[in-house]
Amino acid sequence: AQSVTQLGSHVSVSEGALVLLRCNYSSSVPPYLFWYVQYPNQGLQLLLKYTSAATLVKGINGFEAEFKKSETSFHLTKPSAHMSDAAEYFCAVTTGFQKLVFGTGTRLLVSP
Amino acid sequence: ETGVTQTPRHLVMGMTNKKSLKCEQHLGHNAMYWYKQSAKKPLELMFVYNFKEQTENNSVPSRFSPECPNSSHLFLHLHTLQPEDSALYLCASSQDRQDTGELFFGEGSRLTVL
Repeated sequence: AQSVTQLGSHVSVSEGALVLLRCNYSSSVPPYLFWYVQYPNQGLQLLLKYTSAATLVKGINGFEAEFKKSETSFHLTKPSAHMSDAAEYFCAVTTGFQKLVFGTGTRLLVSP
Repeated sequence: ETGVTQTPRHLVMGMTNKKSLKCEQHLGHNAMYWYKQSAKKPLELMFVYNFKEQTENNSVPSRFSPECPNSSHLFLHLHTLQPEDSALYLCASSQDRQDTGELFFGEGSRLTVL
């Protein structure tokens, strides 16, 4: 069965700093990988997805993620954090044959 | 209205009450889902409906009873809940039940059981 591990339940950055949220996956077959974002008092929103095309995936709001098979990673990055990026971010994996499995989430805190 | 709409947004109920959560999607999708989101836990998939038929029930206690009258509407009927059932209940939809991962979520119903 597939799984994801998000390292760090909280990440704090200053406005303008690089954002790096880590996600490692486990899957016996090529995975589909996703990042979702949840703003306070809202549901989850798809940020970006990897479905075996380009390994560098660009999403909304300036976020991108790179699929690295050798490292079984799919880390989320943004060059310059904005206050509005403060939210909880969830990595998720599926193989297309099994249900979507979510990580436990990483809360991003952005300070001025 | 667009997207996935959930009502009520907040609900407080006693352990002996009966209440229902409602979800409506305006995306023309065929699959709908109920998830439970508790603090410090991964999202838990509760139920899946595809073309109005329940295709998955992840060992959810019978005090939670889903209903899907058509592909656009999904309900979660609640009866004799426990305090540990307090959580954010999220409804989601997708084009089809193909596990391709692209889900559209509602804003959730925050449930507090006293």
